[in-house]
Formats: sequence, C-alpha cells, structure tokens
Amino acid sequence: NAGVMQNPRHLVRRRGQEARLRCSPMKGHSHVYWYRQLPEEGLKFMVYLQKENIIDESGMPKERFSAEFPKEGPSILRIQQVVRGDSAAYFCASSPGTGSSGANVLTFGAGSRLTVL
Amino acid sequence: RKEVEQDPGPFNVPEGATVAFNCTYSNSASQSFFWYRQDCRKEPKLLMSVYSSGNEDGRFTAQLNRASQYISLLIRDSKLSDSATYLCVVNTRYGGATNKLIFGTGTLLAVQP
Repeated sequence: NAGVMQNPRHLVRRRGQEARLRCSPMKGHSHVYWYRQLPEEGLKFMVYLQKENIIDESGMPKERFSAEFPKEGPSILRIQQVVRGDSAAYFCASSPGTGSSGANVLTFGAGSRLTVL
Repeated sequence: RKEVEQDPGPFNVPEGATVAFNCTYSNSASQSFFWYRQDCRKEPKLLMSVYSSGNEDGRFTAQLNRASQYISLLIRDSKLSDSATYLCVVNTRYGGATNKLIFGTGTLLAVQP
C-alpha cells in the first residue's frame, strides 16, 4: 500500500505563473482533502472532494484556486497567477467514505512545498 | 477566537520527564477528537483518537472533557524520539457529510538528553 502520493514534492514558480499539485489517495479511499500550512502556522482546511464532486470548499480562496478529483486520475489543486503569499506546504489527505470504519481518520501525503519567487 | 487553541510552547523537557499538553475547542457541536504528531517538514500522522472515557496507548494518555471543551495529552517517560509538534485536532460536522478536521497550531516538544 503506497499511501497517499503527492507530487511534485517541491515546486518553484515565479509570480504570475500557475502551480498544479497532484494527489493520489490511498487505495480504497474515495475522499480527498487539501490543507495548506503556511510557515510557522497550523494546517488550514481548503477543500474536500469525492470523485467528480466538490463537497466542501469553504476554506478555498475565492480567486485563483481550484480543485478537482476526476473519475480517473489524481486530485489536482490548481493555483493560477501565483503570488508570494501562496508559498506554503500543501498537504493532501484521504479517507474511506463516510460511514466506513475509520472514516474520521485522515492519512496525509508527504506534502508539496510551493515556493513563489 | 480560534476554533482550536493550543499553547505553542516550546516545551523543553529532559528525557524521562512527564509532560502534558492542553487544548481547547470552541464549537460545542464537535464530535471527534484526535492528537496528531508532526515532525519538522513532514506530514502530520495520527497519534491517537481521544474518547470521552479517556484512553491510553503505552506512554500516551488522552483525556476529553466535553463540558469544558478541553482535550489533553500526557506523555510519560519522554524519549528523544518524542520531539515533535503535537497537533490537537477536532472534527465538526456541519449539516451533511462534511468531514472537516480543524487543526490547532500545535505544541512543540523538545526532549533533551
């Protein structure tokens, strides 16, 4: 079991470019969550997705940020026109469906560290 | 007020010491509670769930006080390898099926030889 896989692990972008972060959940997990951790701060919830559905995006900035979890392939967090304040570690987590044993327990990926120059 | 509040520390303790972390949460509708551990520049990992009756896992004991909206973690006989940031985590369901974990900012523990 490969766990939650995130790539790239490190990404450097210049202001105004686009960043795409990918996340493959654990085998058997159908729910994906994205969290952002700014330097010296806690993890902040961004978005919660199931296959082809956004369930809760209340933590996602209204502009420039979008997320998807297509029927096939990994979940993608996309940041358009990046700014320096977007520099952070972006963690993806997955869980089994609600109602399943362990539904509340999230397994995190190793994170993608975005640096905006 | 933050939804989950923790003392950021750092807690500097010698090996073998007992150390306790506290956490408070603001939403009385919160349903599930956890302690996660995060090593420097690594992902958070579940340390233990916290139950109303209190629970113990080896050297770690977690307690929940729903009336006071307070969670604690006790580590006995501290090891060097316990050095990490300990995250208090609360799950509150809003309406439907949202399963959103709210993280505290963490308490940094440094165990000294």
